[in-house]
Amino acid sequence: SYELTQPLSVSVALGQTAMITCGGDNIGGKNVHWYQQRPGQAPVLVIFRDNNRPSGIPDRFSGSNSVNTATLTISRAQAGDEADYYCQVWDSSWVFGGGTKLTVL
Amino acid sequence: EVQLVESGGGLVQPGGSLRLSCAASGFTFSSYWMSWVRQAPGKGLEWVANIKRDGSEKYYVDSVKGRFSISRDEAKNSLFLQMNSLRADDTAVYYCAREGPRSGSSYNEGFDYWGQGTLVTVSS
Repeated sequence: SYELTQPLSVSVALGQTAMITCGGDNIGGKNVHWYQQRPGQAPVLVIFRDNNRPSGIPDRFSGSNSVNTATLTISRAQAGDEADYYCQVWDSSWVFGGGTKLTVL
Repeated sequence: EVQLVESGGGLVQPGGSLRLSCAASGFTFSSYWMSWVRQAPGKGLEWVANIKRDGSEKYYVDSVKGRFSISRDEAKNSLFLQMNSLRADDTAVYYCAREGPRSGSSYNEGFDYWGQGTLVTVSS
């Protein structure tokens, strides 16, 4: 079965840029989606199809996808961005990465 | 406004059964694939099952095949998950989610709306 690998944690200073990676075999050939989940809340889609933002998601959130790594980039990080982030792809079934805890210092 | 509201969670003994419901509103329910996703306490997201727009196709994660059954009722704008032979490792918050537009195996947009979840606890 297909596997997605994310770092367990990423830290970023307030106002700086955070990058969260999602590794997978030839992930560059798949549509990658990213979710933000704050404590006690349901996940929220923040990026779909590699680099598209749903309505209402700030343009501080962006994505890229190439070869074996997809990346979620959060610019000008705010305290409210502190959350768990999950990547997702379709590979004969839906697959989620293990999640990355983002800490804003 | 799109809304997904889950219900039916609770405490059940190992080997028992539970039926989860998800009431959908604010969109044309019959136009979307729907999924169930679960999250064990302190763990990550795990996709459980999904169902095609017309109910003609259903897919499951291996760990629930033969025990769980997904269904939908267009007249009630509702999604269901029948869970049988429950085990301790089925303990989780179960989310109902709407799948965004998709076409074949190469075009999809992820899950654009999620419910707030319902907690299922399997314990004696």
